[in-house]
This record gives sequence, structure tokens and C-alpha cells, in this order.
Amino acid sequence: GDSVTQMEGPVTLSEEAFLTINCTYTATGYPSLFWYVQYPGEGLQLLLKATKADDKGSNKGFEATYRKETTSFHLEKGSVQVSDSAVYFCALTYNAGNNRKLIWGLGTSLAVNP
Amino acid sequence: EAQVTQNPRYLITVTGKKLTVTCSQNMNHEYMSWYRQDPGLGLRQIYYSMNVEVTDKGDVPEGYKVSRKEKRNFPLILESPSPNQTSLYFCASTSGTAYGYTFGSGTRLTVV
Repeated sequence: GDSVTQMEGPVTLSEEAFLTINCTYTATGYPSLFWYVQYPGEGLQLLLKATKADDKGSNKGFEATYRKETTSFHLEKGSVQVSDSAVYFCALTYNAGNNRKLIWGLGTSLAVNP
Repeated sequence: EAQVTQNPRYLITVTGKKLTVTCSQNMNHEYMSWYRQDPGLGLRQIYYSMNVEVTDKGDVPEGYKVSRKEKRNFPLILESPSPNQTSLYFCASTSGTAYGYTFGSGTRLTVV
């Protein structure tokens, strides 16, 4: 079945360090890909998305490129801040009949130290 | 502001006492869904709804009911809650798979 695998955390970085969180997927169709972020004690927020191969999603300094050949959607940020400390989820979705189910990775916790 | 509103945010209840978690969206989305989030298991879909009066089971529907009488509302009903339903619950809606999903703030349910 379809699945999403993302690197295990926790990831601990110093402020201004470069961030990469790896995400790979398996899917039978042509999914849309997402990164969601969950700040402590809060709900899930859409961070960025890409809907077809070679699309680059970007938001708040974060980027991810939809790579069909490697079935990957790695999240990157050039210079992290303390305020980026959160749990990051990679997810995919496509229309499966009437269901537009999101299939999730298990999340990667990021802690950024000043 | 476009949003999904869930209530309550926190709920502690006893085994067997029926409860309802409400979910309402103001974006006129046709598709709505419920997920539960558990450590080590990630997010799992409970139920979804394509439109008014159209609902179907997700991956973990046992012990839950839903209804969709109006487009904006999609309540989650636990007829007889059990401790294994202790979890963090999220309601979400979308207008299409390419647009992403808007999530509610979550409901942390504890069943004792």
C-alpha cells in the first residue's frame, strides 16, 4: 500500500544551521505531497505543498521539491530559528474513489537551540 | 478567517459515557475527515465525508460514529468510550487533494 517514510528524530540544531528532513514515499498513483508542522500544544498547519513532479513548494524559508524519480520530498531550510522548533510531518494524498485520505509519516521532532 | 473549529479542546470522561466532539468549517468545503493521533502510530483516519449525508469509514472506525446533516458540520460521536480511545483528535476539511487540508486545533480526549 501507499506509505510515507521520514527520518526519525529528534533532530537538534543550533540557530542558523542548515536543516534537511528526509521524506520518501511509495504510491501507486500520482499523489500530491505536503509538509505539515505541529508547534507545541497546537494543531497541524500546512507548511508547503507540491502537486506534480519537479514542483517546488516553499513557505517561511522552507522548501521541498517533488522528485518522482527518487520518490522523495525532502524538507530544507537554510537557516533555522528557535521558533522553528516543532514536529514536521510529511504526507501524501490523492483521490481514491471518494476518499481523499492523507497518508502520513510518523513525524520528525526538531529542536533548535539558541 | 478560514478555519475549522473543534470543540472541546480538552475532555476527560469516564468509560461508557457518550460524548460528541463538534467540528465546523466556514470554507464551504465538501470533504471533511476525522483523524486520531497516537504516539508511534502517527495520524490515522477514522471517518470521512464527501458531502452532506455521504460518509464512509476510514482506517480505524470501530467505536466511532459520524453524521453530516449540514455541509459545515461533521461531529464525531463516541457512543460508549473506552480507554483505548484516549487520543488527540483532529478534524480536517479540503476542497480538493491539490489544495491541502485545513485542520482544527485538536481535541485531547482522555477516557478513564
